[in-house]
Amino acid sequence: GQQLNQSPQSMFIQEGEDVSMNCTSSSIFNTWLWYKQEPGEGPVLLIALYKAGELTSNGRLTAQFGITRKDSFLNISASIPSDVGIYFCAGPTGANSKLTFGKGITLSVRP
Amino acid sequence: DGGITQSPKYLFRKEGQNVTLSCEQNLNHDAMYWYRQDPGQGLRLIYYSQIVNDFQKGDIAEGYSVSREKKESFPLTVTSAQKNPTAFYLCASSIYGGYTFGSGTRLTVV
Repeated sequence: GQQLNQSPQSMFIQEGEDVSMNCTSSSIFNTWLWYKQEPGEGPVLLIALYKAGELTSNGRLTAQFGITRKDSFLNISASIPSDVGIYFCAGPTGANSKLTFGKGITLSVRP
Repeated sequence: DGGITQSPKYLFRKEGQNVTLSCEQNLNHDAMYWYRQDPGQGLRLIYYSQIVNDFQKGDIAEGYSVSREKKESFPLTVTSAQKNPTAFYLCASSIYGGYTFGSGTRLTVV
């Protein structure tokens, strides 16, 4: 099946720094979604991308849908402690558009 | 407020027992899903249902069962056939591709 690749598994940054994480696939996706999961909770949708080349912002978060439709990236600017969590990329696959998730990147922010 | 509710938050199971995890939504979503989350493994699909009285196996359905008798409810039973059930279980519902997740149930085998 289609897979989404996220690496590294963990990232450690200093408060105030910007961070960029990407998601790649060997298959084309028509939608890219970025979710954040805080400890002990379910994932929450941050940004949805529907068109190749699209650049979308949500506060300090910016995400882009790659031109090839095989990748996407998420930028977080001026990180703060509450940015801590697991960031997943996801995209619909198959006839029923079930979501496939990447394995996630755990972000830690040092004060 | 509309949302999706999972219960209980924490569940302990003895080996050999079946347990049922509850998932209820009042969003009027047609589709519902169960995912399993293990550290470093992301979210893996167990079962999903696009409509009442119908459901399909996901990628890791062995040892699990579901029912969808009402649009609002999609309970997951973890059976004794599931050899490694300790995990965080997430339920989601969707309409037009937008997923809403519950807060999860952490199941531990003791």
